[in-house]
Amino acid sequence: DTEVTQTPKHLVMGMTNKKSLKCEQHMGHRAMYWYKQKAKKPPELMFVYSYEKLSINESVPSRFSPECPNSSLLNLHLHALQPEDSALYLCASSETGANYGYTFGSGTRLTVV
Amino acid sequence: ILNVEQSPQSLHVQEGDSTNFTCSFPSSNFYALHWYRWETAKSPEALFVMTLNGDEKKKGRISATLNTKEGYSYLYIKGSQPEDSATYLCALTEGANNLFFGTGTRLTVIP
Repeated sequence: DTEVTQTPKHLVMGMTNKKSLKCEQHMGHRAMYWYKQKAKKPPELMFVYSYEKLSINESVPSRFSPECPNSSLLNLHLHALQPEDSALYLCASSETGANYGYTFGSGTRLTVV
Repeated sequence: ILNVEQSPQSLHVQEGDSTNFTCSFPSSNFYALHWYRWETAKSPEALFVMTLNGDEKKKGRISATLNTKEGYSYLYIKGSQPEDSATYLCALTEGANNLFFGTGTRLTVIP
């Protein structure tokens, strides 16, 4: 299995809702990532997990809460989001170390209403 | 956060033409440079990871070069085909698992 699977593909949520984005890989990668991408902008790094521990948080607001339950799964819990949080959320995984390319999922398109 | 710039922003070429685009980055913080191809409605796909000054990598009709001293990388596509139409992203890391992306070059190959 050489894929990163993200669910759901699309999500519409209200500003008072709580929802979660899920990401799964079975390639044995020990680094996993969340990126946010808005239209016509590059993907922006949000969080990095290395060996199931949060190693980088790029000053992301607390309404986004990541979780890595095991080496294959990465979740992003969402609560009290704002309309400007509407974006494509991409998950990726890789071997640890900068010399390895990332494998990306196809993303979750999130709309906050 | 690293400042990674790509040019041009978009490019239209005729089928069969060869083309190239540029990724510029601050040379002082270099550790590794990645190139990705991102087709509409698909996942970004890794093309190359380069770490050494003077590195050249090739995958079929696509190749890339790296100059870390002056802070740029070129991506070349030889004999462009319609299936090459995509956004090409370069990304830079300082060494930790933190990849920062440029704004991309959107390539359209006209049949």
